[in-house]
Amino acid sequence: EPEVTQTPSHQVTQMGQEVILRCVPISNHLYFYWYRQILGQKVEFLVSFYNNEISEKSEIFDDQFSVERPDGSNFTLKIRSTKLEDSAMYFCASSYPLDRGINEQFFGPGTRLTVL
Amino acid sequence: GIQVEQSPPDLILQEGANSTLRCNFSDSVNNLQWFHQNPWGQLINLFYIPSGTKQNGRLSATTVATERYSLLYISSSQTTDSGVYFCAVGGRGSTLGRLYFGRGTQLTVWP
Repeated sequence: EPEVTQTPSHQVTQMGQEVILRCVPISNHLYFYWYRQILGQKVEFLVSFYNNEISEKSEIFDDQFSVERPDGSNFTLKIRSTKLEDSAMYFCASSYPLDRGINEQFFGPGTRLTVL
Repeated sequence: GIQVEQSPPDLILQEGANSTLRCNFSDSVNNLQWFHQNPWGQLINLFYIPSGTKQNGRLSATTVATERYSLLYISSSQTTDSGVYFCAVGGRGSTLGRLYFGRGTQLTVWP
């Protein structure tokens, strides 16, 4: 069964460093998302992406964050200068909506980011 | 954004018991999903259920969209059912359907 994959599974970085989190969405999916979950808290939306453009972003997704689909299979989240509070599990998700605005999202296994 | 409230926050059961988890939401939705977060942190899709009732083995779910709630039923619980159960909803105001998550129900099933 097709699934969303993410690499790396764990990333440890120093404060101020840049990190790139990678995702391979399900191959025929059109909509892509990033969410994050700080330890012990609920999952929060960061950004959605379609047709090589950001569709929607939350207040968390500030200028330190960017997303890109560099080729036909990968979808990346870049954090330019990491802060301690960026430590979280980052989930990529994708969906193939049958009707506009109605879609089931499938999540990858997550990347656990630790900022020291 | 849409507020999502899940109850109870914690649930402890003996193996074989049945349980009902509830999700209330504050606005009309066109997407509702239930997830199980396993001990490794992975979010496993359980149901896509913006309305109606679905069943999958020992699990079933019902969403009453007009009354803004959804229920997840777990029957004959097993220790492998332990973990956090999240409800997430998507509203009509979002083009790509961003999901709003509840805080989850932590389920512990003892042998």
